[in-house]
Amino acid sequence: QVQLQQWGAGLLKPSETLSLTCAVYGGSFSGYYWSWIRQPPGKGLEWIGEINHSGSTNYNPSLKSRVTISVDTSKNQFSLKLSSVTAADTAVYYCARVRITMVRGVIKAYYFDYWGQGTLVTVSS
Amino acid sequence: SSELTQDPAVSVALGQTVRITCQGDSLRSYYASWYQQKPGQAPVLVIYGKNNRPSGIPDRFSGSSSGNTASLTITGAQAEDEADYYCNSRDSSGNHGVFGGGTKLTVL
Repeated sequence: QVQLQQWGAGLLKPSETLSLTCAVYGGSFSGYYWSWIRQPPGKGLEWIGEINHSGSTNYNPSLKSRVTISVDTSKNQFSLKLSSVTAADTAVYYCARVRITMVRGVIKAYYFDYWGQGTLVTVSS
Repeated sequence: SSELTQDPAVSVALGQTVRITCQGDSLRSYYASWYQQKPGQAPVLVIYGKNNRPSGIPDRFSGSSSGNTASLTITGAQAEDEADYYCNSRDSSGNHGVFGGGTKLTVL
């Protein structure tokens, strides 16, 4: 059974850097993409970005200038850093495993089958 | 703004059938996946691919797609199905993930 356990600082001041880590237990780490997703209080889900075991990343264009996702395959962990945070970055942050279905070499399905428990990060002075 | 559009709220009488839709150009190329989220909980995958349910998801949940619209259908809605539902896919560039704005389902 795959489990994702995440942790990081829950209270930040404006301009600080958000830092979260997600550890993967059970199943394979390599061969998948791993993603970060956030949800502001009372709002919808927002895709932040993803990384694979070799370090290849894709980021949400609206956050790209401030986001870094990294991977530590020796520990089966991946991490999120978001710099220069403001109150607008207050959200529950989730880590998740990405699944991709290919048909004749083309991506046809993209989904998240396992999720972390979520971490509430509050940005306040 | 999201590249995937959902109705903000939908209601259904207990035991009846409800369809939740998701529209977006990228859905012409990619299947949508669907997530159920209850208050204070992480989202749970309920439908992925053409029409696949993860283990443990009741068979009253089904998915379909036509053109730029994906649908999640709950046949015989139960009280425990009251939740927020989100669709997800790749965006039109194919390089990023994207979520719909979510639909709040009320079971009357």
